[in-house]
This record gives sequence, structure tokens and C-alpha cells, in this order.
Amino acid sequence: GENVEQHPSTLSVQEGDSAVIKCTYSDSASNYFPWYKQELGKRPQLIIDIRSNVGEKKDQRIAVTLNKTAKHFSLHITETQPEDSAVYFCAAILTGGGNKLTFGTGTQLKVEL
Amino acid sequence: GAGVSQSPSNKVTEKGKDVELRCDPISGHTALYWYRQSLGQGLEFLIYFQGNSAPDKSGLPSDRFSAERTGGSVSTLTIQRTQQEDSAVYLCASSPRLAGGPQPEQYFGPGTRLTVT
Repeated sequence: GENVEQHPSTLSVQEGDSAVIKCTYSDSASNYFPWYKQELGKRPQLIIDIRSNVGEKKDQRIAVTLNKTAKHFSLHITETQPEDSAVYFCAAILTGGGNKLTFGTGTQLKVEL
Repeated sequence: GAGVSQSPSNKVTEKGKDVELRCDPISGHTALYWYRQSLGQGLEFLIYFQGNSAPDKSGLPSDRFSAERTGGSVSTLTIQRTQQEDSAVYLCASSPRLAGGPQPEQYFGPGTRLTVT
């Protein structure tokens, strides 16, 4: 089955700096890669996703890149703000079948003033 | 519109007792998933329902865990003879169905925090 590794487990940045979280996956057939943000005590919320037919996707301060050859994808947050502080999870999935997501172990992002 | 809802939000039970956790997916969503999130950990897939198809139970950790989905909507996750290691947040998610099958975007409920004492 699919295996997703995520790094780093914790990340502390100064407000206004950029943050990068990286994930690797094992199943080359996976074709959909969502990122979820989970604030303390709240449900995971989808913030951005990318499909295997594109290499990069951007939404305001958030961007995701995908390297299918290397089987890794990354989340980039620019101009970080305190409200970006949360746990971020990457996931991978092969769509069309069960669509069950395999999640990374999460990154605790802390944006310091 | 209303999102995915789960009840109860918190459940404390004694070791050995059975518990039932409920999930109400977004109306019209055909796919429903259960995940478990232990303290400080990622999300672990448990079970998946899609329409009238047989559920994918490949993630259930033991035969003490079972789930059903009635009428293609509400789902109940049952844990029998609870153990302390069952303590976790149990999250439900649902996906809409568009042409060609369910879309991969999953919308999560707020979870049920289960504590087994």
C-alpha cells in the first residue's frame, strides 16, 4: 500500500518568513495530493490540492509543487502570519478506487511574532 | 450548507464497555470514511463506504471494530469491549459524487474524542 512520509515534524518561523513542508510517497500510481490544515481541537480542513497532471498550483500565499519522478510534493506558505500556526498534513491517494487517503504524520507549524 | 456532523463530541467510557459513534455526512455525499487520530499522530484510515458497494474494511484494527451505514447516509462506528489503546479522536469524512465516481476531496467532521479509562 501507499506510504507517505512528512518532514519536518515541527517548524518554527518568524512572522513574514516562508515555510516549506515536504512529503514523499511510495506508490507511483497515486494521482491526487491534498494538504489539510488542522488547528488545535478542530477538524482538518482542505487548504490546497494538486493532481498528478500538473507540477505546481498556487492559491494566494499557499503553493504546492509536485515532482512525480522523485515522488515528492511540498507545501509552501509565504508571508506567514500567526493564524497560519496549526498542524499541516499531506496525503496521497489513487483516485477512482476507494479514494482512501494515506496521510503523513503532520507538521506542527508555529509562526512567531 | 451543513457540514459533516458527528456525535457525541466527547465520550468517556470504562474499559470493556461498548461505544457507538455517529456520523452524519453532507447531504448528497455518497462516500463516507472513518479515520482515527491518536494524540499527536496523523490520521489512520479505518473504513470506507461508497453507495451500495461492500465497505472497504481494510483499516479496522481488530474485530472489535465495526461500522455500518444505513440508507446510504448516517454511519455508526461501534467499538466493542473498549481498551485503553482505543482512546483517540475518531473522524468521519464524506465526499460528493460527480460523473465518473466520487471526487477525492474529503470534508471532515469535528470528530468524537473517545477516552477509555
